[in-house]
Amino acid sequence: SQQGEEDPQALSIQEGENATMNCSYKTSINNLQWYRQNSGRGLVHLILIRSNEREKHSGRLRVTLDTSKKSSSLLITASRAADTASYFCASYTGGGNKLTFGTGTQLKVEL
Amino acid sequence: KAGVTQTPRYLIKTRGQQVTLSCSPISGHRSVSWYQQTPGQGLQFLFEYFSETQRNKGNFPGRFSGRQFSNSRSEMNVSTLELGDSALYLCASSGSGRALGAGTDTQYFGPGTRLTVL
Repeated sequence: SQQGEEDPQALSIQEGENATMNCSYKTSINNLQWYRQNSGRGLVHLILIRSNEREKHSGRLRVTLDTSKKSSSLLITASRAADTASYFCASYTGGGNKLTFGTGTQLKVEL
Repeated sequence: KAGVTQTPRYLIKTRGQQVTLSCSPISGHRSVSWYQQTPGQGLQFLFEYFSETQRNKGNFPGRFSGRQFSNSRSEMNVSTLELGDSALYLCASSGSGRALGAGTDTQYFGPGTRLTVL
């Protein structure tokens, strides 16, 4: 089962624009992670935000977390064609290192 | 450090056969997890191994099994393959030393093994 939903399912923007993806989750979390996946390849870790953090930055990425609403957002600023990929949020559930993923957002950045 | 490696990268099998996939974690990482990714079900957790012990298991039939060796390398096996087992199988490693409770560390993924069952 999926931990949560991501919105939108697909997003198409022009290079240079900002892209925002949202993730909602169901259970309480210790942290939430965002991953990128290029066309059926492995997952690349982007950023981890802990439950006591509200916002975190990494380069052109900004992640927010609202634990009261059980939601997170990923903002990619000044997008590039190379940012074209699927983006997933994930959180640990059920003990150990079991990650449960959202449904993903497919981002397409056009030249 | 070298990243997570998985072999083979691509595999084609026929129904009824069995398959073994291999994963080498990042040096020093003791936790290895396996995930299945399909267009219909998305990313699903299979199981996690920590210090050669299965620590957690997803909701998959007993045809899916795994193990971890003393050097933290892990293998997963799928027996009696079905068409629905066609998927991308991803392995991830983490440096978490915790034996209890939810994870706190980043998981790093390998490139995956693309399994096609004909």
